[in-house]
Amino acid sequence: GAGVSQSPSNKVTEKGKDVELRCDPISGHTALYWYRQSLGQGLEFLIYFQGNSAPDKSGLPSDRFSAERTGGSVSTLTIQRTQQEDSAVYLCASSLGNRAYGYTFGSGTRLTVV
Amino acid sequence: AQSVAQPEDQVNVAEGNPLTVKCTYSVSGNPYLFWYVQYPNRGLQFLLKYITGDNLVKGSYGFEAEFNKSQTSFHLKKPSALVSDSALYFCAVRDTGTNNNDMRFGAGTRLTVKP
Repeated sequence: GAGVSQSPSNKVTEKGKDVELRCDPISGHTALYWYRQSLGQGLEFLIYFQGNSAPDKSGLPSDRFSAERTGGSVSTLTIQRTQQEDSAVYLCASSLGNRAYGYTFGSGTRLTVV
Repeated sequence: AQSVAQPEDQVNVAEGNPLTVKCTYSVSGNPYLFWYVQYPNRGLQFLLKYITGDNLVKGSYGFEAEFNKSQTSFHLKKPSALVSDSALYFCAVRDTGTNNNDMRFGAGTRLTVKP
């Protein structure tokens, strides 16, 4: 597609429920990243996919968080047993694999856990 | 690991005046440096980057940034601010001295340009 698409744009969920956030990157971009932006905070790195390599999961805050990328394209971030502190904007970005390239970000999913 | 510091949470300038948003970084190798802007209720947009070459890089919307290796800084500048420049600005770094390919972001600086 023309840009990075994220869905849903907003999600309100009850504490303890599981949620899935979707990211559709730019066609041809081999790298895909998930970040979390809490209110008034910077961007917190969560996970990174590059081609067929094993993902870098070093930023995932707990084992309730997981992500997969199917067929080297669409990615899903799953949060199990959501907690109120999970409330944030979850941003997805994609880029060409070379480090010299910047990211193209999606508009994000605003997650509210009540 | 690479890190970025944006020492100012908030920068206020009058329209027409020059603006500077500060950024310093820490890396083990050479840095790739980036600036992004986030307008209200929008995703982050790429402004400019430094990879190699001239220390002064020019980007979108009249912004520029100067890479200073000795001071490990990459401050964002614009000669004449516009009210429409009001937004949240993020500095980011990639470290070529590691195997990490992800970008680390600063906490962001909110720029307010007043008429």
